[in-house]
Amino acid sequence: QVQLQESGPGLVKPSQTLSLTCTVSGGSISSGSYYWSWIRQPAGKGLEWIGRIYTSGSTNYNPSLKSRVTISVDTSKNQFSLKLSSVTAADTAVYYCAREEREWLVPFFDYWGQGTLVTVSS
Amino acid sequence: DIQMTQSPSSLSASVGDRVTITCRASQSISSYLNWYQQKPGKAPKLLIYAASSLQSGVPSRFSGSGSGTDFTLTISSLQPEDFATYYCQQSYSTPSFGPGTKVDIK
Repeated sequence: QVQLQESGPGLVKPSQTLSLTCTVSGGSISSGSYYWSWIRQPAGKGLEWIGRIYTSGSTNYNPSLKSRVTISVDTSKNQFSLKLSSVTAADTAVYYCAREEREWLVPFFDYWGQGTLVTVSS
Repeated sequence: DIQMTQSPSSLSASVGDRVTITCRASQSISSYLNWYQQKPGKAPKLLIYAASSLQSGVPSRFSGSGSGTDFTLTISSLQPEDFATYYCQQSYSTPSFGPGTKVDIK
């Protein structure tokens, strides 16, 4: 059973960089043809996809966040990471990592981490 | 960007009711449509992928249909554990989610 777990600071100051790591257990991050995504959800609001990475290092980002986002992977540690720069209060949210599977060419998020709350405040 | 809308935004229903939630895409997305259930304080859970395929382990009272721009999620007989918020998500292009439909107890 694949499990994902987010980790990182719960409080980030405005203008600084938010950094989170997702550790994957129960399977190798390099096995299969999976993408690994970050998704966020402000309190009481909907879900926003941030970006994804393939184990080759290939990335795709949400155009609305692209200028501030970097996603990387460390296959030796079975982890992938998110960096979001120049944060403001609008970036306060629960951040989820998720595995993206594909069946019949249709991508979907089948495994999710429990989520971690990141608050942007001075 | 593909915009997703859902209706209704919320509904009240009783155990045993048949519940239908609608999702509409701003352009055709073929069958690139997934449904998730989210309970308070928890991560979303995949219910349906590719518009109508039931994820392993999900009860058969959940079903999905549609293609192109219009999709539905149906719960044939609402159970106590089904009270939650439901999101549709398109994966045709940059992934995006609908605003959610909250199902609560009448």
